Amino acid sequence: AQKITQTQPGMFVQEKEAVTLDCTYDTSDQSYGLFWYKQPSSGEMIFLIYQGSYDEQNATEGRYSLNFQKARKSANLVISASQLGDSAMYFCAMREGDTGRRALTFGSGTRLQVQP
Amino acid sequence: DAGVTQSPTHLIKTRGQQVTLRCSPISGHKSVSWYQQVLGQGPQFIFQYYEKEERGRGNFPDRFSARQFPNYSSELNVNALLLGDSALYLCASSLAGRLYNEQFFGPGTRLTVL
Repeated sequence: AQKITQTQPGMFVQEKEAVTLDCTYDTSDQSYGLFWYKQPSSGEMIFLIYQGSYDEQNATEGRYSLNFQKARKSANLVISASQLGDSAMYFCAMREGDTGRRALTFGSGTRLQVQP
Repeated sequence: DAGVTQSPTHLIKTRGQQVTLRCSPISGHKSVSWYQQVLGQGPQFIFQYYEKEERGRGNFPDRFSARQFPNYSSELNVNALLLGDSALYLCASSLAGRLYNEQFFGPGTRLTVL
């Protein structure tokens, strides 16, 4: 089974509007962390936001927020007030804690295109 | 402050050759991880090193090996290159191997195997 599923290969959004990128995950660990990364065409992975499995509040970082629904095992990224520079690939990733494994498991990504 | 650096930026090799990729973590970071990203896919975990010891290994053949040096820099070696090894190789560093420590990625080394 896929550990991280991103069902939207591509998304379009108008500049200044909000957009939600979907991510569902699968783990039997009680302790885990969820991450979102942005990858521009240059290739570098840029950390955006982190949510821990025990965090009671949804994480926010500037225009980024994470809609964490633990029971549904979803960790959607919300980008408010989209900008042209937000056009990039976006990856959801998980790090599982109980097994001591510290590697990140990534989804297949969503390509976001912001239109003027 | 300098971020994660990787060298070389691009590399072209032929099948059967060997390649060594290098990574310098952010100053103070003791954990280094390597990922392979094939075109159109998300990164796949290869290795993690913390305090010079291997702490994790992904589902990659023994042709892939790595090490971490006393200054926490790292090398990834790939022997007997195959066409399928063509990918972007990403190095990431973090303060420690803790669950909540975000990993900071370098710009990657783009390897092309002909």
